[in-house]
Amino acid sequence: DTAVSQTPKYLVTQMGNDKSIKCEQNLGHDTMYWYKQDSKKFLKIMFSYNNKELIINETVPNRFSPKSPDKAHLNLHINSLELGDSAVYFCASSPYQGHQETQYFGPGTRLLVL
Amino acid sequence: KNQVEQSPQSLIILEGKNCTLQCNYTVSPFSNLRWYKQDTGRGPVSLTIMTFSENTKSNGRYTATLDADTKQSSLHITASQLSDSASYICPPGGNTPLVFGKGTRLSVIA
Repeated sequence: DTAVSQTPKYLVTQMGNDKSIKCEQNLGHDTMYWYKQDSKKFLKIMFSYNNKELIINETVPNRFSPKSPDKAHLNLHINSLELGDSAVYFCASSPYQGHQETQYFGPGTRLLVL
Repeated sequence: KNQVEQSPQSLIILEGKNCTLQCNYTVSPFSNLRWYKQDTGRGPVSLTIMTFSENTKSNGRYTATLDADTKQSSLHITASQLSDSASYICPPGGNTPLVFGKGTRLSVIA
């Protein structure tokens, strides 16, 4: 009965490769997010989607492209991976759009770029 | 600039003891503040969420307080358990995306 799930859990890849991370939530929420947690442990929002529509894009390089095929899924594709992309990426969801709602986080995907 | 500062950065306490974590924030406009617990290698889990009109909210052994005038919040943990060992983060919310600080790393030892 996992609420927010992400795959893969670990991802090790070479610089320059393209990779995707998948996220699914079974909570029936309308809004989904991608966050990046760097080595200093700060969580920073990257994208937010509400009902499959992009509502937040926080100055993320265009090598990162989110895709939401339906409101239960928000995938993250990263082109031409760089060393600085190494981080933990968290997907989250909340019932509605807006910053009043509690966000439910996935377990994270640990990306290491060599 | 929207910011969050938490103190202490890290804390070690004996099992059974109480502790208090502090959170100072500068977010405008402000509407709510959350406390999350993040276990090592896991995603954050919500403990409490308070609106600007609430002063205190409890969730079991966790009690959060909020002073919206001084822009300060605290999280008090009573009778700590080994499983409380985690990072605690307090993102404030307004009409902008949540701002996360570095958190307080709590270690509870036997």
